[in-house]
Amino acid sequence: NAGVTQTPKFQVLKTGQSMTLQCAQDMNHNSMYWYRQDPGMGLRLIYYSASEGTTDKGEVPNGYNVSRLNKREFSLRLESAAPSQTSVYFCASMGENYGYTFGSGTRLTVV
Amino acid sequence: GEDVEQSLFLSVREGDSSVINCTYTDSSSTYLYWYKQEPGAGLQLLTYIFSNMDMKQDQRLTVLLNKKDKHLSLRIADTQTGDSAIYFCAESSGSSYKLIFGSGTRLLVRP
Repeated sequence: NAGVTQTPKFQVLKTGQSMTLQCAQDMNHNSMYWYRQDPGMGLRLIYYSASEGTTDKGEVPNGYNVSRLNKREFSLRLESAAPSQTSVYFCASMGENYGYTFGSGTRLTVV
Repeated sequence: GEDVEQSLFLSVREGDSSVINCTYTDSSSTYLYWYKQEPGAGLQLLTYIFSNMDMKQDQRLTVLLNKKDKHLSLRIADTQTGDSAIYFCAESSGSSYKLIFGSGTRLLVRP
């Protein structure tokens, strides 16, 4: 099925470990986004990429890096995970009428 | 900066209408959106409204936009137990069409 695919779905990290969250879309969308969702706080934008080759900071970029590898893929990297990064991470791409299509999320726990 | 606010919780009886309200601050928003999130899932786009419209109807869903008061509402007619979920209001912001989300309204539909 067409859409946004995120991997992994679940991950537990120890404080200080690094990992990369993967995201790919097959809808030929230009813009892609990474959000985190914390209880009671809605979704907050971490980074976004308006087009292949460009990335920009969102509301909460500290502790994260991103790579827009090609038009399809937009990865999010945690270099040194902290407990405050325990969250659910959503990738999205922007399509018609500027609506987002979301992936199913990555539930990350940092202990 | 931009901000989107929603009430946290709404409880209705099955068959009644539900009205979920949202206020936003960015008067330059082009589109406003309603997303639905079921437990453990990503966000699903329900409907959207262009900022020069004041109403949009889509089957059981009616969106009302009061641009003067920066108020958006979602009415769900004949609410069903399957409508129980968290509903997020979002506004588009800026040239990269980043979406700013509210913190979500949890709708509980009682049998």
